[in-house]
Amino acid sequence: AQSVSQHNHHVILSEAASLELGCNYSYGGTVNLFWYVQYPGQHLQLLLKYFSGDPLVKGIKGFEAEFIKSKFSFNLRKPSVQWSDTAEYFCAVNARSSASKIIFGSGTRLSIRP
Amino acid sequence: GAGVSQSPRYKVAKRGQDVALRCDPISGHVSLFWYQQALGQGPEFLTYFQNEAQLDKSGLPSDRFFAERPEGSVSTLKIQRTQQEDSAVYLCASSASGREGTEAFFGQGTRLTVV
Repeated sequence: AQSVSQHNHHVILSEAASLELGCNYSYGGTVNLFWYVQYPGQHLQLLLKYFSGDPLVKGIKGFEAEFIKSKFSFNLRKPSVQWSDTAEYFCAVNARSSASKIIFGSGTRLSIRP
Repeated sequence: GAGVSQSPRYKVAKRGQDVALRCDPISGHVSLFWYQQALGQGPEFLTYFQNEAQLDKSGLPSDRFFAERPEGSVSTLKIQRTQQEDSAVYLCASSASGREGTEAFFGQGTRLTVV
């Protein structure tokens, strides 16, 4: 069975600090990987996704993530955060062989101090 | 419509009451998913439709939960004899196809509170 672990439940940063949110998944086969963001009062939105090819994926709003297959990781990064990045971030995975359900991690709440 | 629409946005039910939650996916989207999100948790998969066919219902927590999509567009998630542990946000998502990597678009969710 697939599972996703997000190491940090709540991260607090000051504006302009660098961000890295950890994500590890458990699955023996080939996967698609996603990061979703949920801004306060809004619905889940896709930040970025990895299917194949270059393991360094760039998404919206300056976010990027790197797929490291040997570590089963897909960490999210941003070099300089803004107050508007305050949100809940979810890492997610689905199995290539079963392109149906997406399994989500428990989420990381990011708070940015202005 | 422009996005996935869910109704109602909020529902308060007395324990034992039946509820029905509606999802209008993006027009033309083949795949439709239901998720349950408890407070402070990530979305938990409930069930998946491809057109009108329910291909995966492995996440439905009990036989009190039932989902349908009879014409391959609008879907309804029904919960019978609601219990307090059913209190959560129920999310619906749709995607253009069931093929790998297709982005799923989420609705705002229905917040169900069972009292």
